[in-house]
Amino acid sequence: GAGVSQSPRYKVAKRGQDVALRCDPISGHVSLFWYQQALGQGPEFLTYFQNEAQLDKSGLPSDRFFAERPEGSVSTLKIQRTQQEDSAVYLCASSPHDSNNEQFFGPGTRLTVL
Amino acid sequence: GDSVTQMEGPVTLSEEAFLTINCTYTATGYPSLFWYVQYPGEGLQLLLKATKADDKGSNKGFEATYRKETTSFHLEKGSVQVSDSAVYFCALTSWGAGSYQLTFGKGTKLSVIP
Repeated sequence: GAGVSQSPRYKVAKRGQDVALRCDPISGHVSLFWYQQALGQGPEFLTYFQNEAQLDKSGLPSDRFFAERPEGSVSTLKIQRTQQEDSAVYLCASSPHDSNNEQFFGPGTRLTVL
Repeated sequence: GDSVTQMEGPVTLSEEAFLTINCTYTATGYPSLFWYVQYPGEGLQLLLKATKADDKGSNKGFEATYRKETTSFHLEKGSVQVSDSAVYFCALTSWGAGSYQLTFGKGTKLSVIP
C-alpha cells in the first residue's frame, strides 16, 4: 500500500518568506509526528498529533512554527518569516495507534532558506 | 533529558566484513530501542527494535541486544553487502510533554565496497 508522502520534496525560500509543507500519512493512521533533521544530525522531534488534536508541540523551536491537522488526516507544517537556521529536512511520520508504536516515515521535504 | 550517542562515521568496510556500530543511551524509565536505516534517496525505515532489557532485535542479518546494565544497543552484522551502504540511526522512545517521541543519535554512514 501507499506509504507516507510529503510535498514538496524540495523547497527554496528567501529569508522572510512563509512556507507550507504537506504530509499525507498512511490511511487510517491515528498518530502523526513532525521532525526536523539538520545536515549531519539525527531527526529532532517537533510536534505530535493524535487524530486532529495536537497533543504535544514541545519541540517547535519558535512561535514562527505552526502545524495543523484539521480533519485528522493530512497535516501541514507552516513556517513564517523563514530564517537561514530553518534550513533542514522536515520529516513526517505516522503510526497506526497511539504514539508508542513503530513510526513510518515519509521521504522528507528539504527546505533551503537563502 | 533522554539522549542517544552513537559512533561517528563514516565507516568504510569491504564486502563480507563484520560490522559493529556502537550505541549507548541515557534515559529515565524503560525506553524502547530502535535502529533505523536511511538508504540513499529514501526515507527512514525501521530496521529492528527491542522493547525490554535482554531482548534481541533482528532483521536482514542485523542484530542488536538491549543491554540495560551497560545502557547499550550495539548494531552488528556478520557479513555486510554493498547493498547495506546507508546511514544508520540509533533511537529510543521517550515520553515527552504528551507523546512517545523518538530521540535519535546523529547517525553513522556506512559504505561497503566490493
